[in-house]
Amino acid sequence: NAGVTQTPKFQVLKTGQSMTLQCAQDMNHEYMSWYRQDPGMGLRLIHYSVGAGITDQGEVPNGYNVSRSTTEDFPLRLLSAAPSQTSVYFCASSLGLAGSHQYFGPGTRLLVL
Amino acid sequence: TQLLEQSPQFLSIQEGENLTVYCNSSSVFSSLQWYRQEPGEGPVLLVTVVTGGEVKKLKRLTFQFGDARKDSSLHITAAQPGDTGLYLCAGARGQNFVFGPGTRLSVLP
Repeated sequence: NAGVTQTPKFQVLKTGQSMTLQCAQDMNHEYMSWYRQDPGMGLRLIHYSVGAGITDQGEVPNGYNVSRSTTEDFPLRLLSAAPSQTSVYFCASSLGLAGSHQYFGPGTRLLVL
Repeated sequence: TQLLEQSPQFLSIQEGENLTVYCNSSSVFSSLQWYRQEPGEGPVLLVTVVTGGEVKKLKRLTFQFGDARKDSSLHITAAQPGDTGLYLCAGARGQNFVFGPGTRLSVLP
């Protein structure tokens, strides 16, 4: 199993550009989530999904969209990038909800100029 | 204001020393997890504690969940350079987890 994979690993955007961060898992996990990690802030939840076709907002959802058309994939879209979105983004998956073992991807490092 | 506080923020010790890092909150959590994150990688789960007062051991690492399920500690015995990393605690809140800011540990050979 590849586990949780994320692409790209690095990305530089200009303010106002859009892009999609890809996340895929091959463990047949129902629960997937996106976090951003900033210095001194820990991981903050952006959006999450409890199964295909179901998504919900986390702690910091503004400026981001998600969709979950399949169990395997959970892309994160930045509609109009802003410098405040410069961060490291992690995707995670687990069999169930809180209390379950979360598996994290390697992260995408995003710089918005 | 962080829901979960971790201390110390940074810790640099010599190989062979013992250390304890703390995770504290004013909120009660149904479970709490500890992760270790190495540079350039995602966090990796070390342990999940569920019951107040629970103690779990993982080789040289000892994890304790407070009786009131508001705090936790991680004790490392005879630290090794391979223990270097960012240690994150995460408390279960509703359907999701809330993460602390982490303790960055450096173990010098």
